[in-house]
This record gives sequence, structure tokens and C-alpha cells, in this order.
Amino acid sequence: ETGVTQTPRHLVMGMTNKKSLKCEQHLGHNAMYWYKQSAKKPLELMFVYNFKEQTENNSVPSRFSPECPNSSHLFLHLHTLQPEDSALYLCASSQPTNTVGEQFFGPGTRLTVL
Amino acid sequence: GQNIDQPTEMTATEGAIVQINCTYQTSGFNGLFWYQQHAGEAPTFLSYNVLDGLEEKGRFSSFLSRSKGYSYLLLKELQMKDSASYLCAVMDSNYQLIWGAGTKLIIKP
Repeated sequence: ETGVTQTPRHLVMGMTNKKSLKCEQHLGHNAMYWYKQSAKKPLELMFVYNFKEQTENNSVPSRFSPECPNSSHLFLHLHTLQPEDSALYLCASSQPTNTVGEQFFGPGTRLTVL
Repeated sequence: GQNIDQPTEMTATEGAIVQINCTYQTSGFNGLFWYQQHAGEAPTFLSYNVLDGLEEKGRFSSFLSRSKGYSYLLLKELQMKDSASYLCAVMDSNYQLIWGAGTKLIIKP
């Protein structure tokens, strides 16, 4: 596989469920990101990992819990979500965060919370 | 605060030229990126500008004026496959990308 992959592509969950989103990058990058994309809104940066260490947490509610076991894998654990959390969740990777460079995105997970 | 502005939606005709504008106010500047995002797909990188002027890549060109906090993406010889959202993003002094809401481009035959 090449680039950035995400699973699942679509997820429907109830407010009491627990689920996890997975992201994997095959680009040899050291930085990984979670973004939330809602219709007609800018991409919202949620979490940033640089060399497996979390460097950014943009006031994200604790019902979202990230995990980065190594530089190639990133997870987003979800529990007791709200309907307003329904959105497209995008994972991205790049060279280390203190460098200038493009971010490479995965196809996203379309999340619906009922 | 930091802010990126771009039009919400634009319509153009196949074969024509369209210019998508982006204005920004950010804490510092480490370059401006344009991404293309087809519906239901990942954003993909189109261009990067850090110096003033025009960068040309085939049918797509991107322009930057740092003094005016302004950029545009120029698409020539439009094709139906160019129907997509175009995202403008500025890298600030902390190397964080600040994103615009995107411009949805509709191409009509």
C-alpha cells in the first residue's frame, strides 16, 4: 500500500458505543495529524504527533482519545460521542512539524453519530 | 486572530479560465498551500508559494503577494474533472497550517 490509509471509510455509531479509527502512513514521515472536517467549515486540527509524542491538543473534548504507537500508525478512540461529532475525520502525515512541507492526507472516515 | 478567507462557491464553464482568491491574516508566514479535494476524497496538494510572484504548473498557476496577504489559484482550460473544492492554507510561524473553508468549484459544460 502507498500513501496514507484510513479505516473504516464509513462508521455509524450510537452515542453509547466505543469505536476506533485507524490511520497508517507508508511515506516514512515522522508527524501525524487528526483533523475534523465539517461542511462549509475550515479543517479543524485536533491532534498532532511528532516522533510519536503528542505536541498539539486543540481543546478537543475527552471523548476523543488519540494514540500513536509508532510513527506509522495513529488511532482515534471514540466514546460517548454526540450527534454534533458527525463529520469527516481526516488523518495526515508530513515531515517533522518544525519543518516546511506539505501534508499528505488519507481518504477520511465519514462518521455518523445517531 | 488568524483568518483565511476564500469564496464559498464559484461556477465556471468547461474550457474557460477561473481564478480563486484567498486572503489571509496569520501570526507569521511560512508559505501558502493550495489543495484540491474531490467530494468524498482526500485533499491533495496542488501548490506551495513562499515568495511573491506566480508559480505555474501546467494548467494550474498560483500567485502570492505577501504584502497584501493575498493569493490566487488560476485554473486554465477547465475540464469537468476540475469540479472539486479548493482549499487555501497558510503555514504560520509555529509551522501550523491555518485553513480556509474551501471554495467549491462547479464546472458546467
